Amino acid sequence: AQRVTQPEKLLSVFKGAPVELKCNYSYSGSPELFWYVQYSRQRLQLLLRHISRESIKGFTADLNKGETSFHLKKPFAQEEDSAMYYCALRLYNNNDMRFGAGTRLTVKP
Amino acid sequence: DAGVTQSPTHLIKTRGQQVTLRCSPKSGHDTVSWYQQALGQGPQFIFQYYEEEERQRGNFPDRFSGHQFPNYSSELNVNALLLGDSALYLCASSFSWQPSSYEQYFGPGTRLTVT
Repeated sequence: AQRVTQPEKLLSVFKGAPVELKCNYSYSGSPELFWYVQYSRQRLQLLLRHISRESIKGFTADLNKGETSFHLKKPFAQEEDSAMYYCALRLYNNNDMRFGAGTRLTVKP
Repeated sequence: DAGVTQSPTHLIKTRGQQVTLRCSPKSGHDTVSWYQQALGQGPQFIFQYYEEEERQRGNFPDRFSGHQFPNYSSELNVNALLLGDSALYLCASSFSWQPSSYEQYFGPGTRLTVT
């Protein structure tokens, strides 16, 4: 079954430390992977997508098909990065998006 | 542009009742998807509407139905409510002619509580 796993429900780091939020997926086809973020009292919003190979707010994510992973990384975390992060998988040529359970990131001062 | 809007914000219903949730997509968007987000979980895809038809459906029973209107707004209907239907219901809109970098814009959600 197509599934997204985020193994950490909670992640806490200090400001300025590197951060990595893990995401693993199971899907035999050609995946489209996304990271969504939800800041406190705000709606869910797209952070980045693998196909664009972009860096948003200092975050990057590389699709590793061999390890079926799409980990989100930032070299120096900021307090404003504290939020809920969801990894999502869109099946090839399909409109069904599968979300992970999310990781709550807290960046301490 | 207010983005995606949903109404009502909160709703309390009794088991066995029926409920209708509403969504207006972001300006320029023609596709609406609905998600259910249970507490502590990620959103789960219910279905997607395009050109007033259900284009794709997730693993939800027929008690969940929807509709899309000519102005692209959408409704989610849930019949015979169960306690387990208590969740945040999210609407997301997108544009059908996007490139492959599919992007959805989410609404603030409707919190449904079934007692």
